[in-house]
Amino acid sequence: EPEVTQTPSHQVTQMGQEVILRCVPISNHLYFYWYRQILGQKVEFLVSFYNNEISEKSEIFDDQFSVERPDGSNFTLKIRSTKLEDSAMYFCASSPIGGRFSGNTIYFGEGSWLTVV
Amino acid sequence: GENVEQHPSTLSVQEGDSAVIKCTYSDSASNYFPWYKQELGKRPQLIIDIRSNVGEKKDQRIAVTLNKTAKHFSLHITETQPEDSAVYFCAAREGSQGNLIFGKGTKLSVKP
Repeated sequence: EPEVTQTPSHQVTQMGQEVILRCVPISNHLYFYWYRQILGQKVEFLVSFYNNEISEKSEIFDDQFSVERPDGSNFTLKIRSTKLEDSAMYFCASSPIGGRFSGNTIYFGEGSWLTVV
Repeated sequence: GENVEQHPSTLSVQEGDSAVIKCTYSDSASNYFPWYKQELGKRPQLIIDIRSNVGEKKDQRIAVTLNKTAKHFSLHITETQPEDSAVYFCAAREGSQGNLIFGKGTKLSVKP
């Protein structure tokens, strides 16, 4: 069964450093998402991406964050200058079709655990 | 925007008993409600979902009910087993691209 894959699985970075988290969505999917989960808390929506542009973003997704689809397969999340509070598990997700009324399943990757020290 | 509330935050049951987790949502336009199971350190995995044109859906020991009028939906697990122990998240779909908004999660412990 196809899966969303993410790298790295775990990254430790110094505060202020840039981090890039990488994702390969399921190949025939068109809608891509990043979610964040701080340890012990709920999964929080960051951003959705469709047709090579951001569709929606949450309040969390400020100017420090950016997303990119540099080629036909990868989908990346960049944090420009990491803060301690960015420490969390970051999940990439994808779905074949999107839209509020599609009722379509979103599939999650295994996550990238980011620790900012 | 959508707001999803989930209760209880923790739930402990004996093996074989039933477990019920409840969620409410705020946006009456939401029409898709998945439930995810998350084991420690793992990704959320979809276990069941329901669309707003359906009131109940069942898959073996798992069922979900939806009350659109009251804007709440519930997960029911019957004959619980120790391997059901995990954190369960409800979610509601919002936004033009169908982002999921999650509840805070329920930590279910099934004691043998």
